Amino acid sequence: DQQVKQNSPSLSVQEGRISILNCDYTNSMFDYFLWYKKYPAEGPTFLISISSIKDKNEDGRFTVFLNKSAKHLSLHIVPSQPGDSAVYFCAASLGEGAQKLVFGQGTRLTINP
Amino acid sequence: DVKVTQSSRYLVKRTGEKVFLECVQDMDHENMFWYRQDPGLGLRLIYFSYDVKMKEKGDIPEGYSVSREKKERFSLILESASTNQTSMYLCASSLGLPEAFFGQGTRLTVV
Repeated sequence: DQQVKQNSPSLSVQEGRISILNCDYTNSMFDYFLWYKKYPAEGPTFLISISSIKDKNEDGRFTVFLNKSAKHLSLHIVPSQPGDSAVYFCAASLGEGAQKLVFGQGTRLTINP
Repeated sequence: DVKVTQSSRYLVKRTGEKVFLECVQDMDHENMFWYRQDPGLGLRLIYFSYDVKMKEKGDIPEGYSVSREKKERFSLILESASTNQTSMYLCASSLGLPEAFFGQGTRLTVV
């Protein structure tokens, strides 16, 4: 029972364009969401997060959007750069004080020159 | 910077062996986690610990146990390794916020 789903296993985007990665969740009790980035042979690194009291959070080239009614969030990367090529994981938790993260399956993003 | 160090990058073990995966963090974090990453399944939580000698089962604890005798160290134990435990194992630590810091991973192959 996958509570956090990333339905696109892979995505290919041209350098300089916008990358949009999507994530859906089923548990309405989740109220804090995170994105992690993972390069091969390395552990995931935290990228950006959003609380359910917001619908948007921005950090440089990265913006996360949250649509609670649709139980959907997305990560926008603008402009995309070759170094953004990695696997991106969406994760959810039951609030900022919660200990456990539930991860999606991941989306492999490839930025083409 | 937070550092989470896993003792091995690559391990090859035989079926039935007892396997220890070690993880050390240097930031005095209360919480530590063990995940495994498999293609198409993402990261799945095996066990986590919120204090020394305290542990809780995650989503897939079967076939695994853990040990946390010191705050900085969290060990994952495969009591009798099986081929379906071939995977990438990731250790993480956190301060109680959802943001977790991960080690570089251990690629375990059971033959």
